[in-house]
Amino acid sequence: EAGVAQSPRYKIIEKRQSVAFWCNPISGHATLYWYQQILGQGPKLLIQFQNNGVVDDSQLPKDRFSAERLKGVDSTLKIQPAKLEDSAVYLCASSLLAGGDNEQFFGPGTRLTVL
Amino acid sequence: SQKIEQNSEALNIQEGKTATLTCNYTNYSPAYLQWYRQDPGRGPVFLLLIRENEKEKRKERLKVTFDTTLKQSLFHITASQPADSATYLCALERGFKTIFGAGTRLFVKA
Repeated sequence: EAGVAQSPRYKIIEKRQSVAFWCNPISGHATLYWYQQILGQGPKLLIQFQNNGVVDDSQLPKDRFSAERLKGVDSTLKIQPAKLEDSAVYLCASSLLAGGDNEQFFGPGTRLTVL
Repeated sequence: SQKIEQNSEALNIQEGKTATLTCNYTNYSPAYLQWYRQDPGRGPVFLLLIRENEKEKRKERLKVTFDTTLKQSLFHITASQPADSATYLCALERGFKTIFGAGTRLFVKA
């Protein structure tokens, strides 16, 4: 079974530039998550999709971050414009269904450096 | 506000011993608690899940306890091996909201 795919693996940009990350979840998984993990911290949930609808985006900085999951499959996360404090690893995860009794499968992450 | 605390200091143990990691939480009543392992440069990998009405779960060399009165979960790795060296994260969930702790770094010395 193929895992969660993410690209790119690494990205370096200047502040105020824009950047986009892509995620392809495990086939058949209805729920998709985007997390931000700053060095030394645990993953912080940014947005959770159930199919192509948003379940929770309460911690997404909506003035600069946006995410979409067209057709309920793959997803993109965009940052525009980027700030220095956005430097982090962006993790995508998927699960069969929503809810804490479903294990989440994580991708390798995209390491973003904002200069 | 909701808060999760895991041992901020790394845990160093000798091979063959039991490693015990702690996850404490406040201002939260999770329905589920999960433990993940994370290696450097990789995404977390699911290990175990325990529900609020369960006291203990086991899987091979792993054991998780969940005390909703103390608001604490303990994660045990018995007969630890150098390959168990990693960061271990606890995650709490209720109502489709997942919160992760910062993790505890475990080093198992041969």
